[in-house]
Amino acid sequence: KAGVTQTPRYLIKTRGQQVTLSCSPISGHRSVSWYQQTPGQGLQFLFEYFSETQRNKGNFPGRFSGRQFSNSRSEMNVSTLELGDSALYLCASSLGTDMWEAFFGQGTRLTVV
Amino acid sequence: DQQVKQNSPSLSVQEGRISILNCDYTNSMFDYFLWYKKYPAEGPTFLISISSIKDKNEDGRFTVFLNKSAKHLSLHIVPSQPGDSAVYFCAASGSRNYGGSQGNLIFGKGTKLSVKP
Repeated sequence: KAGVTQTPRYLIKTRGQQVTLSCSPISGHRSVSWYQQTPGQGLQFLFEYFSETQRNKGNFPGRFSGRQFSNSRSEMNVSTLELGDSALYLCASSLGTDMWEAFFGQGTRLTVV
Repeated sequence: DQQVKQNSPSLSVQEGRISILNCDYTNSMFDYFLWYKKYPAEGPTFLISISSIKDKNEDGRFTVFLNKSAKHLSLHIVPSQPGDSAVYFCAASGSRNYGGSQGNLIFGKGTKLSVKP
């Protein structure tokens, strides 16, 4: 059974640009969540999508957005990149029902220069 | 304000001995707790979870204990092995009835475990 796949693994962008990250969840999982990991703040919840709808949202500015497609694949977009957006972005998938375990992908390392 | 706290940034244990990783939380609405293990440049790997209706859950060498009155949980690894060396994260989630959702995990900042041969 394939795990959670995130692409790309590494990305370098310039301040002011925008970026789109992709996540393919485990087959059968309907919930996809995004997290940002930085050395200072640890793992912070960005948002969760379930059946193409945003079900929950963390405390991040509107520059961070996402969407989910009918096949449960999800994308995350960050516009007007800032240096502080440099982080490891992690996607997690789960069934979205009674089982609360979330399984993470390997992440996308974004560097903003 | 941190809702999930792991007060020990690091822990060093001898191979074969017990590793005890601790986690405290402040939000009484949390009703599901999880432990993850993370290696550098990789995503967290799910280890074990516990629901608030239980006080113990065991899976092989890993046991999680939950003390709801103290808002404290701990992960015991017995016996510890060098391959267990990693950063361990405690995470909590609240009931959907209180705005929580399966995807909204609140993480502690992690404890780096080193198991020495």
